[in-house]
Amino acid sequence: QGQLVESGGGVVQPGGSLRLSCAASGFSFSTYGMHWVRQAPGKGLEWVAFIRNDATNKYQADSVRGRFTISRDDAKNTLYLQMNSLRVEDTAVYYCARRADSSAYSSDHWGQGTLVTVSS
Amino acid sequence: QSALTQPASVSGSPGQSITISCTGTSSDVGGYNFVSWYQQHPGKAPKFIIYDVNKRPSGVSNRFSGSKSGNTASLTISGLQAEDEADFYCSSYTSRSTWVFGGGTKLTVL
Repeated sequence: QGQLVESGGGVVQPGGSLRLSCAASGFSFSTYGMHWVRQAPGKGLEWVAFIRNDATNKYQADSVRGRFTISRDDAKNTLYLQMNSLRVEDTAVYYCARRADSSAYSSDHWGQGTLVTVSS
Repeated sequence: QSALTQPASVSGSPGQSITISCTGTSSDVGGYNFVSWYQQHPGKAPKFIIYDVNKRPSGVSNRFSGSKSGNTASLTISGLQAEDEADFYCSSYTSRSTWVFGGGTKLTVL
């Protein structure tokens, strides 16, 4: 079925850095493209970044381009999000999500999320 | 990339049908048949309920259906049930090889 477990969230000051991890299990991680999606408190979902299964292409939202980097380690079945130059507006629950089996343009498995709080 | 436009809230009584719209542009909703819908209950992760405009993943109730006309996609829920009460989000692939979500719609079952 597949399970995704995020970790690495916490409180960080503006301008600081944080690295999120997403541990995958129960499926062949290396064959799936993966997303990061975030949700600010009380707000809607915002797509953050995507990495193809072979890591040849990575895409980011304009709001994080140049500050956030998505990567993966298939040997560890883990997805990462390196977040630099953090801003107050980056405060959110960050979810990792797997490309769906049925469509390359949807996500069928989501983690439970990890909370990032950017505050002085 | 601007968020897709959804109504902030919709409501309906048990047994009724409701429709949630999701309006984008020719660079996203109108340009691709890659619209998805997600249901999110409070404090939970989103759940995948519609993909590629009108396809249902296995295990999702056939009370959920999707459609699209031009730059606007729609999610219809028929035979409303109390457990349908949740937030709903549309999502579309875009011409920039990115994804964009709608602002979300809160469904209240009266």
